[in-house]
Amino acid sequence: KQEVTQIPAALSVPEGENLVLNCSFTDSAIYNLQWFRQDPGKGLTSLLLIQSSQREQTSGRLNASLDKSSGRSTLYIAASQPGDSATYLCAVGYGQNFVFGPGTRLSVLP
Amino acid sequence: NAGVTQTPKFQVLKTGQSMTLQCAQDMNHEYMSWYRQDPGMGLRLIHYSVGAGITDQGEVPNGYNVSRSTTEDFPLRLLSAAPSQTSVYFCASSYSGTGGGLFFGSGTQLSVL
Repeated sequence: KQEVTQIPAALSVPEGENLVLNCSFTDSAIYNLQWFRQDPGKGLTSLLLIQSSQREQTSGRLNASLDKSSGRSTLYIAASQPGDSATYLCAVGYGQNFVFGPGTRLSVLP
Repeated sequence: NAGVTQTPKFQVLKTGQSMTLQCAQDMNHEYMSWYRQDPGMGLRLIHYSVGAGITDQGEVPNGYNVSRSTTEDFPLRLLSAAPSQTSVYFCASSYSGTGGGLFFGSGTQLSVL
């Protein structure tokens, strides 16, 4: 059974810091890995999708890496801003479905 | 291009009532799914479909029913609502099953009294 964990569960940083969010999965037989952002009371917005054959994807200040063999992905946020405050979830495409991690709640303080 | 559309956005039910949450996508996605999100429990899969006429159970299917008569629509039925079904429900779709990325609807906040 695939299990996805995310560390840390919560993170509070001052504005301008570079930060890393971690996602780990137990079975490396994944099709892809996707990072989402969720604002309070809102839906999930896709940030980055990494296919299993890829090592990383970049979008603006966001960079996500994937190491299938070690079962890990990291989301790097450069020059964090208060508007980045949200919960970040990772999900792996596995079998016929997607398995989600519990999320990291990020607060960026002005 | 509307993406994934869920209705209603909010709903209050009394215990024992039934209702249908609607989900439609206009991206010609084969895969569609329903999740519920509860505080401290994360996203849990209720039911999913890999194409019209094909549905299967997820992690928490009890008390819910689905059907997939068209590629576009994937309604979720609550047969007899219970307070334990108070939650936020999300519909999601993907182009090629787990090979593609997931697209989410905006969610339905359901309260069962």
